[in-house]
Amino acid sequence: DAGITQSPRYKITETGRQVTLMCHQTWSHSYMFWYRQDLGHGLRLIYYSAAADITDKGEVPDGYVVSRSKTENFPLTLESATRSQTSVYFCASRAGVTGELFFGEGSRLTVL
Amino acid sequence: QKEVEQDPGPLSVPEGAIVSLNCTYSNSAFQYFMWYRQYSRKGPELLMYTYSSGNKEDGRFTAQVDKSSKYISLFIRDSQPSDSATYLCAMSGANTGGFKTIFGAGTRLFVKA
Repeated sequence: DAGITQSPRYKITETGRQVTLMCHQTWSHSYMFWYRQDLGHGLRLIYYSAAADITDKGEVPDGYVVSRSKTENFPLTLESATRSQTSVYFCASRAGVTGELFFGEGSRLTVL
Repeated sequence: QKEVEQDPGPLSVPEGAIVSLNCTYSNSAFQYFMWYRQYSRKGPELLMYTYSSGNKEDGRFTAQVDKSSKYISLFIRDSQPSDSATYLCAMSGANTGGFKTIFGAGTRLFVKA
């Protein structure tokens, strides 16, 4: 199916474990983004990518790592999960410098 | 101070009411202004997209941008229970680094039948 898909949709893990959230888009959009959504904070940008092999930090990058070896994939890794990283994570893509952001369904992560 | 301020609500209105949702911002370089709608346990979807100041209308929805006051609004006429969702304002511009989109906290809206 065309669009942007995230996996897993739900994940429970323990403090200190490594977790990778996957994001795949079928449009060949240049730009991809990772946001986290927490009550009272709205959507906060973690990392973004303007093209394959080009990534940059957003507002809250600490504790996260990203890579983009292929245009269509943009995985987000929590190297050592902490309770403060319990959140809903959204991946998004955009065709160009401006324009609409297309979001995935979200990945709900709980860190115990 | 956050770059984009939005009252989280919740806002509860009866069916048929006119709803007014607002955001203020501090970065005068924002050029693109958006409203996204997010249903529970779903990703946000674009509702309105405007460039610079002025009004834009789409069906029951009207977006207003006042750059001189750094204030944007979304009006919903004849509100329906299906409009119950969280509404997020969002902005971007040339100096937000790669036109990164900055979001408000979102306002939860409940429309009662």
